[in-house]
Amino acid sequence: DIQMTQSPSTLSASVGDRVTITCRASQNINSWLAWYQQKSAKAPNLLIYKASNLETGVPSRFSGSGSGTEFTLTINSLQPDDFATYYCQQYYGYPYTFGQGTKLEIK
Amino acid sequence: QLQLRESGPGLVKPSETLSLTCTVSGGSISGSSSYWGWIRQPPGRALEWIGHIFYSGNTYYNPSLRSRVAISVDTSNRQFSLQLSSVTATDTAVYYCARENNGLGPWGRGALVTVSS
Repeated sequence: DIQMTQSPSTLSASVGDRVTITCRASQNINSWLAWYQQKSAKAPNLLIYKASNLETGVPSRFSGSGSGTEFTLTINSLQPDDFATYYCQQYYGYPYTFGQGTKLEIK
Repeated sequence: QLQLRESGPGLVKPSETLSLTCTVSGGSISGSSSYWGWIRQPPGRALEWIGHIFYSGNTYYNPSLRSRVAISVDTSNRQFSLQLSSVTATDTAVYYCARENNGLGPWGRGALVTVSS
């Protein structure tokens, strides 16, 4: 299986901050990576697909970059609604696998 | 817009079979390039991809569950289903269905399934 490792596991930030979450794959996955936001007791929501493509309806303060084995999710000018848990997922090889999650907390 | 909703028992006894159905509305389950997937999340833990199905019936399952899992599709009723046999307490989780097409989305709201006697 392709292992996905996110860092950090927890991130404390303030409204208005710019934050970056990193996701590393255990092997080359080209750009077959997605990012999701999950709020408590809710289903995940697709933010970014194919590493850098913004899903329709997602605010432009979210952006993704990277290819190969290293990827980043950046959130510019954090809003109160952004405090949640974020997951990366590879869909290059079976079985599809997720990172362990990054919890974004209010500082 | 496309919506998915999971349905099925919320409590399953150990060694029995977990069965869930995902109903798709606002769009077609067949004739598209999308796969239809199942994902689960044990309480307080990360997401685990279970497997997916194409409308033609082609499936792929996570090898960690392959011996116990089956996904089927009913295009006429716009549904796809999950069966997980010989469940134990470690199968307790929220089970989600989702469309797969360059990432997973949209997702259903999720169904909590508890394995307990």
